[in-house]
Amino acid sequence: NAGVTQTPKFRVLKTGQSMTLLCAQDMNHEYMYWYRQDPGMGLRLIHYSVGEGTTAKGEVPDGYNVSRLKKQNFLLGLESAAPSQTSVYFCASSRRRENTEAFFGQGTRLTVV
Amino acid sequence: TQLLEQSPQFLSIQEGENLTVYCNSSSVFSSLQWYRQEPGEGPVLLVTVVTGGEVKKLKRLTFQFGDARKDSSLHITAAQPGDTGLYLCAGLSGSARQLTFGSGTQLTVLP
Repeated sequence: NAGVTQTPKFRVLKTGQSMTLLCAQDMNHEYMYWYRQDPGMGLRLIHYSVGEGTTAKGEVPDGYNVSRLKKQNFLLGLESAAPSQTSVYFCASSRRRENTEAFFGQGTRLTVV
Repeated sequence: TQLLEQSPQFLSIQEGENLTVYCNSSSVFSSLQWYRQEPGEGPVLLVTVVTGGEVKKLKRLTFQFGDARKDSSLHITAAQPGDTGLYLCAGLSGSARQLTFGSGTQLTVLP
């Protein structure tokens, strides 16, 4: 029962470096999401996708890009990391049904120094 | 941006006490969900409430959706140390069913 798998789990970047976070789900879900979680701020939506080949901006998209070339994968890219992007990143997926549950990965803890 | 405000932000109580966590918004949501998050893990769904005024019970947890579908509450009866965690409310809206999360309530139940 893999569910939603995020890689890597931890990463330290220097300011200006780039990286890609990978999210993979094996539940055949149509919808996928990337959130960031900061202390006292809950989860904030970065980007989301309603299907293969489609992406859309969420609440805090600046400094991030995403791609969904395959239904099961949703990639989050940081082109030039900044200390403000230090956070815990969560990927989630859900079915295309009303009021459905979102399943989350275990998170990626990213530190930008 | 639709905002969900949770209160209190932190709550520390003794085992056996009752507590209520609130989730308020000025926006209407098609449904509202409550998640619990353990350290180092992603949130896990507890319940979804859909109808205004709806009440759902999950053992010692009681969830209520406001009549106007703008607010919700979580009541825990006789809290136990195993209830310790971060409780997050999330409102569902829009054709893409974006989940907007509240800031969370960190609950600690002391034995």
